[in-house]
Amino acid sequence: DTGVSQDPRHKITKRGQNVTFRCDPISEHNRLYWYRQTLGQGPEFLTYFQNEAQLEKSRLLSDRFSAERPKGSFSTLEIQRTEQGDSAMYLCASSLGRGELLRYTFGSGTRLTVV
Amino acid sequence: DAKTTQPTSMDCAEGRAANLPCNHSTISGNEYVYWYRQIHSQGPQYIIHGLKNNETNEMASLIITEDRKSSTLILPHATLRDTAVYYCIVSRETSGSRLTFGEGTQLTVNP
Repeated sequence: DTGVSQDPRHKITKRGQNVTFRCDPISEHNRLYWYRQTLGQGPEFLTYFQNEAQLEKSRLLSDRFSAERPKGSFSTLEIQRTEQGDSAMYLCASSLGRGELLRYTFGSGTRLTVV
Repeated sequence: DAKTTQPTSMDCAEGRAANLPCNHSTISGNEYVYWYRQIHSQGPQYIIHGLKNNETNEMASLIITEDRKSSTLILPHATLRDTAVYYCIVSRETSGSRLTFGEGTQLTVNP
């Protein structure tokens, strides 16, 4: 069990640029979640996948955000035309998807700063 | 999912037990109580969960009142590394469920 890996750990980008984050979940986990966290707040749900199917998207996920999980393995979260309000920690988590459904393993996150 | 209420912050002396309360007075019969913590600049970490009975693992104990309207997370011998934000989350374990975080309790363990 190597845990959930996220890449990069930090990203600084100029307003208007596109950014893409990657998440590698625990291999036997079929559920993958993306959350966003701003300073002083708890993580906010963005979207989740069961295998390769994206089952739910939050209203927080504007049209500029897109997430994929090809082949049900790693996932990418892309933000197009970044805005300063997108600055946050982006967290990925995975779970088995059966049994203890809410027992997630989180990655260390990608901190995005839009300047 | 039922709403939870936690104190904003708590302090604890190193080596003493840390008792973190959570109120969930609107909890329904099939909702679980989950606890996670988040150490600064890291992702949240699962601690423990329970439905009705008290639970214990290598990290902590979870005490759920008989009416299930509140619970307490107990760290028996707090260390400086237990300084973190602790989240109490109540939710059903159905296929469509996912974790909804509040603002949690900032626990500071002092030397």
